[in-house]
Amino acid sequence: GAGVSQSPSNKVTEKGKDVELRCDPISGHTALYWYRQSLGQGLEFLIYFQGNSAPDKSGLPSDRFSAERTGGSVSTLTIQRTQQEDSAVYLCASSLESIEPPNEQYFGPGTRLTVT
Amino acid sequence: QKEVEQDPGPLSVPEGAIVSLNCTYSNSAFQYFMWYRQYSRKGPELLMYTYSSGNKEDGRFTAQVDKSSKYISLFIRDSQPSDSATYLCAMRKKAAGNKLTFGGGTRVLVKP
Repeated sequence: GAGVSQSPSNKVTEKGKDVELRCDPISGHTALYWYRQSLGQGLEFLIYFQGNSAPDKSGLPSDRFSAERTGGSVSTLTIQRTQQEDSAVYLCASSLESIEPPNEQYFGPGTRLTVT
Repeated sequence: QKEVEQDPGPLSVPEGAIVSLNCTYSNSAFQYFMWYRQYSRKGPELLMYTYSSGNKEDGRFTAQVDKSSKYISLFIRDSQPSDSATYLCAMRKKAAGNKLTFGGGTRVLVKP
């Protein structure tokens, strides 16, 4: 079946512009996650959606970052007034409901964001 | 200091050798431990998942967890050039909403 898809695959933007990154999770997955991977670094958690619960936004680095998940499916990560330090690969993952022990997270290919 | 430390490598081995990877962590609240493989310009994919201290084997892969030392390892036997990738350890605290904390990743190169 189809995996997690993300668009665009690459995005180059000028400093100060806003960008929107899109994630389509695996059908039936109720949990959705956004991570950021800077060059040569591991993944940094940004935000997590689980069903109709309030999202866990504890990883968002500043109020310039926000995310929505519409209809419990597609998610959009928005970065306002982009800065050069926002340059990174933004990865989305989805999983079945978050329980104990945790379900596997399936990752998309990422969006490579470059802020010039 | 990061919660999860991982040597960035690169680690270069000849084909057929054993690859040994490890991570250390500082927070004893971590209860679930994973290893992900990430090929260049791809998303990570789950290789191994362990919950308790001890060994878990799956084909050529063995994962070890030592909670008393806060140390986890991944061994790859009979390494192949196709194993060349970045390997990331990840951990999760109990009841943490499936939020993972990753190490920085170790780049592995298996030379034919």
